[in-house]
Amino acid sequence: DTEVTQTPKHLVMGMTNKKSLKCEQHMGHRAMYWYKQKAKKPPELMFVYSYEKLSINESVPSRFSPECPNSSLLNLHLHALQPEDSALYLCASSHVRTSGRETQYFGPGTRLLVL
Amino acid sequence: RKEVEQDPGPFNVPEGATVAFNCTYSNSASQSFFWYRQDCRKEPKLLMSVYSSGNEDGRFTAQLNRASQYISLLIRDSKLSDSATYLCVVIRRRGSTLGRLYFGRGTQLTVWP
Repeated sequence: DTEVTQTPKHLVMGMTNKKSLKCEQHMGHRAMYWYKQKAKKPPELMFVYSYEKLSINESVPSRFSPECPNSSLLNLHLHALQPEDSALYLCASSHVRTSGRETQYFGPGTRLLVL
Repeated sequence: RKEVEQDPGPFNVPEGATVAFNCTYSNSASQSFFWYRQDCRKEPKLLMSVYSSGNEDGRFTAQLNRASQYISLLIRDSKLSDSATYLCVVIRRRGSTLGRLYFGRGTQLTVWP
């Protein structure tokens, strides 16, 4: 089973709203990721959590706030977003083998529209 | 220079055709290599890992040339269902941290009947 789940599938929010995106995996992966993807572009890395600690923040604006409550869950809290933040938000988790090879699996994404 | 360079296409081929995608990566310290497939408005899905020895999965063959820093994907006997964007992905670790994925811009394939 290589399933990463994300909720909600779609989200429409105003610029003054606060909302959260959720991601869950039960594969025992200890690394989880948030990506943002705009149309016809590849995913852009936002945050990486390793063993529930924030490992990488790719200079993401503070209106995006990640949280990793436990090894299976990853949240992305949204506040005061801008219309240009509208995109597909992808969660991923990865497994690192003893050989060092790493494979990432993506969730279905949350399609966000900011009005 | 971009970490991963990939011809965006589009490639438009008839059913049954053989099509090849290529990409190059700039950092020789890159460690893992993959092809992902992404359908319109869906998430990227792992298609196959890529090894120097080459690997095959049915109609799909992937090859890595570390000396040339070149990755290829060959699709034989194309099906309509192969229509998608194919992403070349490279993982590289910086220090002792987890690897980071570097994506090519994706190659769009349309297979027509």
